[in-house]
Amino acid sequence: IAGITQAPTSQILAAGRRMTLRCTQDMRHNAMYWYRQDLGLGLRLIHYSNTAGTTGKGEVPDGYSVSRANTDDFPLTLASAVPSQTSVYFCASSDAGQGANEQFFGPGTRLTVL
Amino acid sequence: GQNIDQPTEMTATEGAIVQINCTYQTSGFNGLFWYQQHAGEAPTFLSYNVLDGLEEKGRFSSFLSRSKGYSYLLLKELQMKDSASYLCAVVDSNYQLIWGAGTKLIIKP
Repeated sequence: IAGITQAPTSQILAAGRRMTLRCTQDMRHNAMYWYRQDLGLGLRLIHYSNTAGTTGKGEVPDGYSVSRANTDDFPLTLASAVPSQTSVYFCASSDAGQGANEQFFGPGTRLTVL
Repeated sequence: GQNIDQPTEMTATEGAIVQINCTYQTSGFNGLFWYQQHAGEAPTFLSYNVLDGLEEKGRFSSFLSRSKGYSYLLLKELQMKDSASYLCAVVDSNYQLIWGAGTKLIIKP
């Protein structure tokens, strides 16, 4: 059982390029999330999805988009990367939507935008 | 605004006990989580409190006082592998999860 996988593990990207971070879970969880984690700051929610076919904006959605075509996959796209998007990105899932439900995290993607 | 406060860093000795505090000011309260995150790894769940009091789970315990907006994580019989960051997160009235910046715990032999 893999849990949640993310790809790539790390990436260096030129500013202005488009990039999609992949996230797949095999736990049949309804809800999925994308966070970014920067030094000295807490995890910040970018986008979330409470169930397949629906998505919502989190605290810092600008410059990012997501889709949830099925239960397992939740890709995050940076349409035109900027240096301020340099961060570690974590995908997570939970059995139900945000709230009193334990979230399971993927291993993260370390993204550097130059 | 919503705010979660934790100490940035703490140091403790192997075999000792350490208490990591978390205070919060949020719009409503529907529970509080503690997660552990080793350097370069993903956060993993430690505990969830929604009622006042102490929840014990092996060497780790978590305490909550809703009236004081306060929680702590107590780690006993510290081991070197407990060196990690400990993240406090509160579920607000909209069932949104608000994360603290985390406390980096350094264990010395």
